[in-house]
Amino acid sequence: AQRVTQPEKLLSVFKGAPVELKCNYSYSGSPELFWYVQYSRQRLQLLLRHISRESIKGFTADLNKGETSFHLKKPFAQEEDSAMYYCALSGPGNTGKLIFGQGTTLQVKP
Amino acid sequence: DAGVTQSPTHLIKTRGQQVTLRCSPKSGHDTVSWYQQALGQGPQFIFQYYEEEERQRGNFPDRFSGHQFPNYSSELNVNALLLGDSALYLCASSLTGAGNYGYTFGSGTRLTVV
Repeated sequence: AQRVTQPEKLLSVFKGAPVELKCNYSYSGSPELFWYVQYSRQRLQLLLRHISRESIKGFTADLNKGETSFHLKKPFAQEEDSAMYYCALSGPGNTGKLIFGQGTTLQVKP
Repeated sequence: DAGVTQSPTHLIKTRGQQVTLRCSPKSGHDTVSWYQQALGQGPQFIFQYYEEEERQRGNFPDRFSGHQFPNYSSELNVNALLLGDSALYLCASSLTGAGNYGYTFGSGTRLTVV
């Protein structure tokens, strides 16, 4: 079964501390993995995708096929990073179907 | 560009009624996907429309149906509403061929079934 698991509902850190949002997935084949973010009173928006291997707003995520994980990391959290983060997966190509995790609320305290 | 526009923003319906939600895609996009997001959960894929046809469907009953118009806008219809249909309904538009990273989400319609 295709599934995305985000084990933490809430992650609270202080400004300047490292952040790691966990994501594990279950998928037979070669999935595409994404992180979406929703800031307060804003729409869901794409943060990054594994195939581009990019760093957005200081966040990075590495796909670990052996551990079926796609954890989101940032070395120094900022208050403006406070938001809801969703990990999602899809089959290769434009299948139109994203499978989301339950989301993790990141709270960065001053 | 207003991006993806959804209407109405909020809606209250009675159990057993029918509801229609509307979505206008981002300019230049030709594909519309619908998601249901229950409280405290991630979005769940309902279906996707392209060229006025349902291209792919998630695990939702036939009470959920949709339509896409020639101008690419879309409607989501839910019949015989249940209390469990209360959720935020999200529309996402994309351009076929742009890959999975091309989705733009709307702000959603909050449906409450009483």
